[in-house]
Amino acid sequence: DIQMTQSPSSLSASVGDRVTITCRASQSINIYLNWYQVTPGKAPKLLIYGATSLQSGVPSRFSGSGTGTHFTLTISSLQPEDFATYYCQNSHSPLALSFGGGTKVEIK
Amino acid sequence: QVQLQESGPRLVKPSETLSLTCTVSGGSIINNIDYWGWVRQPPGKGLEWIGSVHHTGGTYFAPSLRSRVTLSVDTSKNHFSLKLTSVTAADTADYYCACYHYSSGSYYFDPWGQGTRVTVSS
Repeated sequence: DIQMTQSPSSLSASVGDRVTITCRASQSINIYLNWYQVTPGKAPKLLIYGATSLQSGVPSRFSGSGTGTHFTLTISSLQPEDFATYYCQNSHSPLALSFGGGTKVEIK
Repeated sequence: QVQLQESGPRLVKPSETLSLTCTVSGGSIINNIDYWGWVRQPPGKGLEWIGSVHHTGGTYFAPSLRSRVTLSVDTSKNHFSLKLTSVTAADTADYYCACYHYSSGSYYFDPWGQGTRVTVSS
């Protein structure tokens, strides 16, 4: 099984800050990496798929990069509605999925 | 626009079977490319993939849950279902259904249902 490791597990930031979250795969997954935002009481929201593609309707301050085993999610200017928990997800095999442990973005 | 909605008992006794259904509206569950999946989030913990099912009946499970999970599809009702046997308190979680959609060379979960909290307690 492919293990996904996110870092940090939590971070504190202010509105307007640039935030970067890292996700590492235990083996190469090419570009098959998705990012989700989870807010309490709401359905998880797809942000990025295929490592770099922005899902329709997602603000352009979100961006993804990486390939192979090292990926990043960047929020260029943190907004109040962005305080949430973010998860990466390996989609290398459609039939053997795994999520990272999550990164909680909190208000400083 | 496809929408998903989970339904089922919110309280299940230990050792019994957890049963949930996900109703798909705004689109057909019969789709040769997409899968239909279940993901859960225990309180205070991260997301965990449970399994995925194709409308043809093909099923795929997380290794840690494989022995206790059954997934099925009812194309006449446009819904798919999850059964998790021999539940314990560790199975208490928010359960989400989602479409595992294929587009532009990638699979991803979108859209998701709103989720339903299932508590395992006597």
